[in-house]
Amino acid sequence: EDQVTQSPEALRLQEGESSSLNCSYTVSGLRGLFWYRQDPGKGPEFLFTLYSAGEEKEKERLKATLTKKESFLHITAPKPEDSATYLCAVQARGLSNDYKLSFGAGTTVTVRA
Amino acid sequence: ETGVTQTPRHLVMGMTNKKSLKCEQHLGHNAMYWYKQSAKKPLELMFVYNFKEQTENNSVPSRFSPECPNSSHLFLHLHTLQPEDSALYLCASSAGLAGGDRTDTQYFGPGTRLTVL
Repeated sequence: EDQVTQSPEALRLQEGESSSLNCSYTVSGLRGLFWYRQDPGKGPEFLFTLYSAGEEKEKERLKATLTKKESFLHITAPKPEDSATYLCAVQARGLSNDYKLSFGAGTTVTVRA
Repeated sequence: ETGVTQTPRHLVMGMTNKKSLKCEQHLGHNAMYWYKQSAKKPLELMFVYNFKEQTENNSVPSRFSPECPNSSHLFLHLHTLQPEDSALYLCASSAGLAGGDRTDTQYFGPGTRLTVL
């Protein structure tokens, strides 16, 4: 069974204080690892897909990296508008047309001005 | 705006009521999903429809009944719910690719906040 563990559960940052979120995963064969951002009362918003170890993707102050066991979401010089819950999910490679996502519980980031 | 809409956004119902949640996607996708999100828990997949056919029922109680009349619309019919069913119900859609190693990105709607009294 696929497992996704995110840490820390919550992260409080000062504006400009860079930090990283961790997503550890166990999957039989990784088809893709996804990062989403979720604001309170809203649905998850797609950020990145990573496919293989060593891959990196960037979007504004966010940079996602991938190894064979974990992914990191680095937030560089965060601003208050980066406050959100960040969700990690894995999509496993299977014999069927199975594109299910297994999600972690998320990391809630609060950035204070 | 992701192209996936959900109505209503908020719903309060008693345990004996019957109500329905609606989801519509404007992305030309072929797969649609219902998820349940409870506080501090991972998203739980409930149902998957691929080309209007239900391909997944993740051991969901029968008081939740999905319906997918076409690839753009998805409903979740609710009846005799329990207070523990209170949660955010999210709909998502994806292209629904035909297999292989390609990934299939899911795009989510804003959710329906359900409260069962």
